[in-house]
Amino acid sequence: AQSVSQHNHHVILSEAASLELGCNYSYGGTVNLFWYVQYPGQHLQLLLKYFSGDPLVKGIKGFEAEFIKSKFSFNLRKPSVQWSDTAEYFCAVIPVSGATNKLIFGTGTLLAVQP
Amino acid sequence: ETGVTQTPRHLVMGMTNKKSLKCEQHLGHNAMYWYKQSAKKPLELMFVYNFKEQTENNSVPSRFSPECPNSSHLFLHLHTLQPEDSALYLCASSQDLRLAGDEQYFGPGTRLTVT
Repeated sequence: AQSVSQHNHHVILSEAASLELGCNYSYGGTVNLFWYVQYPGQHLQLLLKYFSGDPLVKGIKGFEAEFIKSKFSFNLRKPSVQWSDTAEYFCAVIPVSGATNKLIFGTGTLLAVQP
Repeated sequence: ETGVTQTPRHLVMGMTNKKSLKCEQHLGHNAMYWYKQSAKKPLELMFVYNFKEQTENNSVPSRFSPECPNSSHLFLHLHTLQPEDSALYLCASSQDLRLAGDEQYFGPGTRLTVT
């Protein structure tokens, strides 16, 4: 079965530290990849997405992610986090094979940034 | 104001009750989704509708009954639920699930507690 793994369930960083959140998926075909963020008390919102082209994708708020096809990975990075980045981050994948737009989510990573 | 609204935001119901969750999208989208978010589990897709037609039922128990009267509204009718059904139920919408990598927009969710 297709799945998405986020290895870090809970990450605590100090402000200005660099961030990298891991995401791996299990699907051998073409995929569309997403990172969603859920700030405390708010709804899920899209941070960035990859469909094709340059595997280094830049999103909102200084976030970026790199698609490495050979490693089935789509890790999220930010060079310097802020307190306002405290949120839960979800990696998601759409296998581009069927007729449906079925997002498969990871379990999420809770990031706490200490001032 | 978010493009996808959900009511109620919180619901407590007994196992013999019947209640409904409502989702409305103001984005002109044609596809709508129900997801279940339980603690420490990935978001689980429950149902998908495209142009009012159900395209996916992800093996959801019959005590959950979706209804999509038009492209802007989606309901989830609940009856004889179990305590393990307690979770955050998220609604999402997208332009058209046949479009590759069609971005989904999420509502704030309904926090359901079954007693």
